[in-house]
Amino acid sequence: GNSVTQMEGPVTLSEEAFLTINCTYTATGYPSLFWYVQYPGEGLQLLLKATKADDKGSNKGFEATYRKETTSFHLEKGSVQVSDSAVYFCALRPGGSNYKLTFGKGTLLTVNP
Amino acid sequence: EAGVTQFPSHSVIEKGQTVTLRCDPISGHDNLYWYRRVMGKEIKFLLHFVKESKQDESGMPNNRFLAERTGGTYSTLKVQPAELEDSGVYFCASSQDYVSGNTIYFGEGSWLTVV
Repeated sequence: GNSVTQMEGPVTLSEEAFLTINCTYTATGYPSLFWYVQYPGEGLQLLLKATKADDKGSNKGFEATYRKETTSFHLEKGSVQVSDSAVYFCALRPGGSNYKLTFGKGTLLTVNP
Repeated sequence: EAGVTQFPSHSVIEKGQTVTLRCDPISGHDNLYWYRRVMGKEIKFLLHFVKESKQDESGMPNNRFLAERTGGTYSTLKVQPAELEDSGVYFCASSQDYVSGNTIYFGEGSWLTVV
């Protein structure tokens, strides 16, 4: 079946540090890959996505590249801010008409000033 | 444009009681989904509506959970009777269609605590 494994954290960084949150997946076919973010007291928001191999999703300074050869979709940001403190979820959605999102367990990121 | 809205945002009930969660999808979205995250675990799929029809309810944990979407607009998820292990956050989401790359929009979640 489909599965997503992401580093569980928690991750604590100082402002302006470099961020990497690892995500690997198992899926048949050609899934689409997503990063969702949940800020404190808010719902899940789509952060970025990639729908095919070698695509790079980017938003708000975050980037992730769909690597089919390593089945990975690692999230990176060059300089984090306090406002980036949140829980980050990696997710996949199988190809075709399958609609179910499969999520990782989430990674809590805390950025200190 | 309003997003996916959920009510209540928080609910604390006693074991054995009933709770009904409501979700209003984004206007025009035929597809509506329920997911939940219990403490420390992954966010898991519960079920999927296309308009008023249940397309897939394979993720529903047991028959204490009942989801409806009368008229194909808003949806309710009822838990009766609630058990301690039902505590968690219940997310509703919607999308225009279920093509793989299209975005699923989530609500803020309904936090349920069963004591």
